[in-house]
Amino acid sequence: QSALTQPRSVSGSPGQSVTISCTGTSSDVGGYNYVSWYQQHPGKAPKLMIYDVSKRPSGVPDRFSGSKSGNTASLTISGLQAEDEADYYCCSYAGSYTNVVFGGGTKLTVL
Amino acid sequence: QLQLQESGSGLVKPSQTLSLTCAVSGGSISSGGYSWSWIRQPPGKGLEWIGYIYHSGSTYYNPSLKSRVTISVDRSKNQFSLKLSSVTAADTAVYYCARVVLYQGGYYYYYMDVWGKGTTVTVSS
Repeated sequence: QSALTQPRSVSGSPGQSVTISCTGTSSDVGGYNYVSWYQQHPGKAPKLMIYDVSKRPSGVPDRFSGSKSGNTASLTISGLQAEDEADYYCCSYAGSYTNVVFGGGTKLTVL
Repeated sequence: QLQLQESGSGLVKPSQTLSLTCAVSGGSISSGGYSWSWIRQPPGKGLEWIGYIYHSGSTYYNPSLKSRVTISVDRSKNQFSLKLSSVTAADTAVYYCARVVLYQGGYYYYYMDVWGKGTTVTVSS
């Protein structure tokens, strides 16, 4: 069982928007603005999409956005494209003992 | 452009020690503001953080693996390594190394910006 809770799957049609939630506790997501999101295509390494809750690295389309409310972080993908179909993982800093926790991952299907 | 490349034993017998190395190219492992991490992914499952090492040599491990994990750095070779002892089938996974951004330009961060391609380790007799 992962420390952060994500839906197992979400889906949307091309052009639509989808939101993936990531629920933790006040010891991780709620306690720090160090939430990051990673995209993973089958057989590939994860790729950073969002860091510090809502910041996009250079090269990541602005269709990807992040937010946080309380103990829940969210990744929103607008204007869905076929290449967005992948697994998405959230990650949070969780203090000096636990350090890092991941979500269980969400499979995004573009219909 | 920074690149990471994992290498090591792909098949390990139960109870033995798994050993992997991550070679860093295009940058120095001694650069301040970063730590160097190992993450794994069992077949069909999610990501699990194993631990990381700072450029200073300080280490932090996943509490659930701490008794079996050692991460070390070899600055002369610009690489860092993972040893996981007393392995079982549950340790079968793709193992990734990654750079963790901690501090840049006066600000604190916490995210993994560069990942290796991963290496598959199977624990089997």
